[in-house]
Amino acid sequence: AQRVTQPEKLLSVFKGAPVELKCNYSYSGSPELFWYVQYSRQRLQLLLRHISRESIKGFTADLNKGETSFHLKKPFAQEEDSAMYYCALSGIGGFQKLVFGTGTRLLVSP
Amino acid sequence: ETGVTQSPTHLIKTRGQQVTLRCSSQSGHNTVSWYQQALGQGPQFIFQYYREEENGRGNFPPRFSGLQFPNYSSELNVNALELDDSALYLCASSHLRDPNNEQFFGPGTRLTVL
Repeated sequence: AQRVTQPEKLLSVFKGAPVELKCNYSYSGSPELFWYVQYSRQRLQLLLRHISRESIKGFTADLNKGETSFHLKKPFAQEEDSAMYYCALSGIGGFQKLVFGTGTRLLVSP
Repeated sequence: ETGVTQSPTHLIKTRGQQVTLRCSSQSGHNTVSWYQQALGQGPQFIFQYYREEENGRGNFPPRFSGLQFPNYSSELNVNALELDDSALYLCASSHLRDPNNEQFFGPGTRLTVL
């Protein structure tokens, strides 16, 4: 079964603090993992994907196949990072169904 | 480049009625996926359309159906509405051969079933 688990509904930190949003998955194969973000009053948009190994807006995420995790990290949170973050997976190639977690709301206070 | 658009933005129906939601895909995209997002949940995959045919389906009953048109726009139809169908319905477009496997989401249609 394909499943994505985000254990935290809300993560509240102060500006400048490190952030780690947790994501664990189950998938019988080699999935692609993504982080999508939704800022207030904006549409859902891709933040990063594990294959590209990019750092977007200071965020990084490493796929750990042994722990089946894809945690999102940022060393110094900014107020503009406040948003809803969704971890998602899909199969590789072809059919692009996304399986989402329930999301974590990140709140960065000044 | 025009992004994904959806209409209407919100609507209210009563139980048992039928509803049609519309989506225009982003320019250059040939694939449309529909998701249902209930309050407090992540988006849940309903189905995907490619070249006017259903290309995969999630765990939704047959009263959820769709269409894709030659211009790649799409409709989601829901018959015999139930209270639990109240949700935000998201449309996402993509290109099937996109190596980045990125889906571009619309703003959603909020459906309330009374």
